[in-house]
Amino acid sequence: DQQVKQNSPSLSVQEGRISILNCDYTNSMFDYFLWYKKYPAEGPTFLISISSIKDKNEDGRFTVFLNKSAKHLSLHIVPSQPGDSAVYFCAASAEGAQKLVFGQGTRLTINP
Amino acid sequence: GAVVSQHPSWVICKSGTSVKIECRSLDFQATTMFWYRQFPKQSLMLMATSNEGSKATYEQGVEKDKFLINHASLTLSTLTVTSAHPEDSSFYICSAWRDFSDREQYFGPGTRLTVT
Repeated sequence: DQQVKQNSPSLSVQEGRISILNCDYTNSMFDYFLWYKKYPAEGPTFLISISSIKDKNEDGRFTVFLNKSAKHLSLHIVPSQPGDSAVYFCAASAEGAQKLVFGQGTRLTINP
Repeated sequence: GAVVSQHPSWVICKSGTSVKIECRSLDFQATTMFWYRQFPKQSLMLMATSNEGSKATYEQGVEKDKFLINHASLTLSTLTVTSAHPEDSSFYICSAWRDFSDREQYFGPGTRLTVT
């Protein structure tokens, strides 16, 4: 049972445009969501997170939106840069739980 | 802050031998450490959760006798792949978790294991 889903395995965006990565979840106990970025042969690096008490969190070029009623979150990157090309993982955790549940990842390619 | 290291970054071993991978939290004490495995073009698969001083909790389908995990201190966890086989070849990543005041997991750079 995939509790966190990233339905787009890949996404290609032109440099300077907005990249929108989507993530859906099924477990209503999740109350904290994170986005990680991963380059090949490296560990994931934390990008941005959001608590379920918020619907938006912004950090520079990165903004995460949370729609609790739809159990959906999205990561917006604007403007997209070539260095943003990587695999992006959405992750979720429930209050009191240590584990993160990861989505399958979306490979983002920024074209010059 | 919140740096996690792994050693070695890559290792090649012969089938039947054992390999130990270390995971260290360099600038914080990690209450819990996690071990993940990633196959090519696939997501991160959680293998086990280890808490300092206690036995690791393994995910369903992960052989605890094959993947030995030791969490001897608040800054060090080790994963030993025993009697390695070519199908164990993978990218192993650890992460460290501080406490409930910080919900993020901090990941190490990963270890590429190739079994010949």
